[in-house]
Amino acid sequence: EDQVTQSPEALRLQEGESSSLNCSYTVSGLRGLFWYRQDPGKGPEFLFTLYSAGEEKEKERLKATLTKKESFLHITAPKPEDSATYLCAVQARAGGTSYGKLTFGQGTILTVHP
Amino acid sequence: DSGVTQTPKHLITATGQRVTLRCSPRSGDLSVYWYQQSLDQGLQFLIQYYNGEERAKGNILERFSAQQFPDLHSELNLSSLELGDSALYFCASSVVGITDTQYFGPGTRLTVL
Repeated sequence: EDQVTQSPEALRLQEGESSSLNCSYTVSGLRGLFWYRQDPGKGPEFLFTLYSAGEEKEKERLKATLTKKESFLHITAPKPEDSATYLCAVQARAGGTSYGKLTFGQGTILTVHP
Repeated sequence: DSGVTQTPKHLITATGQRVTLRCSPRSGDLSVYWYQQSLDQGLQFLIQYYNGEERAKGNILERFSAQQFPDLHSELNLSSLELGDSALYFCASSVVGITDTQYFGPGTRLTVL
């Protein structure tokens, strides 16, 4: 069964203090790894998709990287508006009855203090 | 705004009742997905439809059912509701359904009293 574990569960940073969030995964053939941002009571907002080990993607202060076992979301010089829950999800290559299914981790709650 | 719409935003009902949640996908998207988010279980995949046909199924309870209509909007029907069904229900859509990005709607918060 596909599994996604995110760490830490919660992270408090000062504005400008860079850090990384971890997403470890076990999947029967990775089709894609997805990062989403979720604000309280809102729907997840898409950030990145990574498909193969070694791939990197950037957007403003965020950079996502992928290895064969984990993904990192690096946050450079964060601002208070970056405060949110960051979710990692995997989609397996198995197909069949799990065709488009995303398996999510529990998320990392990021709080950035001014 | 992802372009995915969901109604209603909030729903409060009693145990044993039946409710219907509605989702309209982004223009041009053929796949619709339903997810349940609770505090203890996180985001859990329920079911996927592609162009009107069921394509994938997760741990969806037998009391729950869904369908996708010819205009591609989807409905999730929840019956014989229990307290534990209280959760946020999200709909997502994507163009095809293979490794393409799933865009999530704002969700429906269901409270079962």
